[in-house]
Amino acid sequence: GQNIDQPTEMTATEGAIVQINCTYQTSGFNGLFWYQQHAGEAPTFLSYNVLDGLEEKGRFSSFLSRSKGYSYLLLKELQMKDSASYLCAVRDSNYQLIWGAGTKLIIKP
Amino acid sequence: GAVVSQHPSWVICKSGTSVKIECRSLDFQATTMFWYRQFPKQSLMLMATSNEGSKATYEQGVEKDKFLINHASLTLSTLTVTSAHPEDSSFYICSGRDREPYEQYFGPGTRLTVT
Repeated sequence: GQNIDQPTEMTATEGAIVQINCTYQTSGFNGLFWYQQHAGEAPTFLSYNVLDGLEEKGRFSSFLSRSKGYSYLLLKELQMKDSASYLCAVRDSNYQLIWGAGTKLIIKP
Repeated sequence: GAVVSQHPSWVICKSGTSVKIECRSLDFQATTMFWYRQFPKQSLMLMATSNEGSKATYEQGVEKDKFLINHASLTLSTLTVTSAHPEDSSFYICSGRDREPYEQYFGPGTRLTVT
């Protein structure tokens, strides 16, 4: 079956760095996405990886290793507004998104 | 990025009535539309996938006669919850994808409360 694992909840301090991991097992691979979702709102796109390596976009970076079925989202210089759920999603061979359960990130002052 | 709108943003209805949710892609052609449901503190659950002009494909466990999906044009898809019950209360989110399968664009969601 298809499976995406990410931690349920993480806590970090304002100004610090946090890494959210995601491991996946899917039927085919056509890219991995990270989305941010604030409570009561729809997800918003953060990053997309299809090749191995690190993609940097401002304070957020995303890494992919296809051979290991592994990705992480790195958030730097954490701000209180970064408190949200972070969803890892993999696009399978049918170009369907398979979603992880999301990681709730709590930022403390 | 591309914009997807949903209407209404929230709705309260009585048990047994039907509710229609509209999803529009404003600046791109959504050849494929996805409808998701999300219960509090849970992840997104895909309900169905629809391609313009075709019947929707429903995920296992989703009643196609209860959740009617219409995708008649490249910019509009509708979800009708028929004979709604309190357990249908949830956050419904649509997303559209254009011909280049790069990214899904999400609507802002519709919060449905059935009393």
